[in-house]
Amino acid sequence: EIVLTQSPGTLSLSPGDRATLSCRASRSVSSNYLAWYQQKHGQSPRLLISGASSRAFGIPDRFSGSGSGTDFTLTISRLEPEDFAVYYCQQYGDSPRTFGQGTKVEI
Amino acid sequence: QERLVESGGGWVKPGGSLRLSCAASGFTFSDYYMGWIRQAPGKGPEWVSYIITSSLYTNYADSVRGRFTISRDNAKNSLSLQMDNLRPEDTAVYYCVRDRSGSYFDHWGQGTLVTVSS
Repeated sequence: EIVLTQSPGTLSLSPGDRATLSCRASRSVSSNYLAWYQQKHGQSPRLLISGASSRAFGIPDRFSGSGSGTDFTLTISRLEPEDFAVYYCQQYGDSPRTFGQGTKVEI
Repeated sequence: QERLVESGGGWVKPGGSLRLSCAASGFTFSDYYMGWIRQAPGKGPEWVSYIITSSLYTNYADSVRGRFTISRDNAKNSLSLQMDNLRPEDTAVYYCVRDRSGSYFDHWGQGTLVTVSS
């Protein structure tokens, strides 16, 4: 199975900062089949990005995804207070579908 | 608005069984693959199982294959997960998800906690 490694484990930033989260795959993710999710404390995950760079419905444009092959990035251009959460990547190019271990964005 | 509501979680001893249910509303249930994802405390999500629209195909993670059974009732807009021979490592919050044809998961329920412990 494809193992996804997210870095850093924790990102300590302030509102208004730019956040750059990394997701590295153990082998190439076909067709850039990679998604990103946001999970706030005590809530279920919410889809942010699919296809490596396509924002889901209703997701603000300060969230952007990029990358291909084995290296993918989620960027939050200017952090809002509600963006402090844990972020997970997930690949769906190979079975079984797998998730990363998460990056926590904290104040 | 799409809504998924799980029920059926609880505490069970190793070797026991539980049946999770998910009630769907706000979308045409029969048009979508559905699935279950679990998340152990402090861990990332783990895909468990999915079922296609017609129920003619299902798939499971290796960790649960042979012990868990997914099913759906399109007339009742409901999804189920029968979990048998439960192990302590099955302890997790279980989420009902709308599965975009075997790719990503665009809607998640609020989750139901399953605890397997003696």
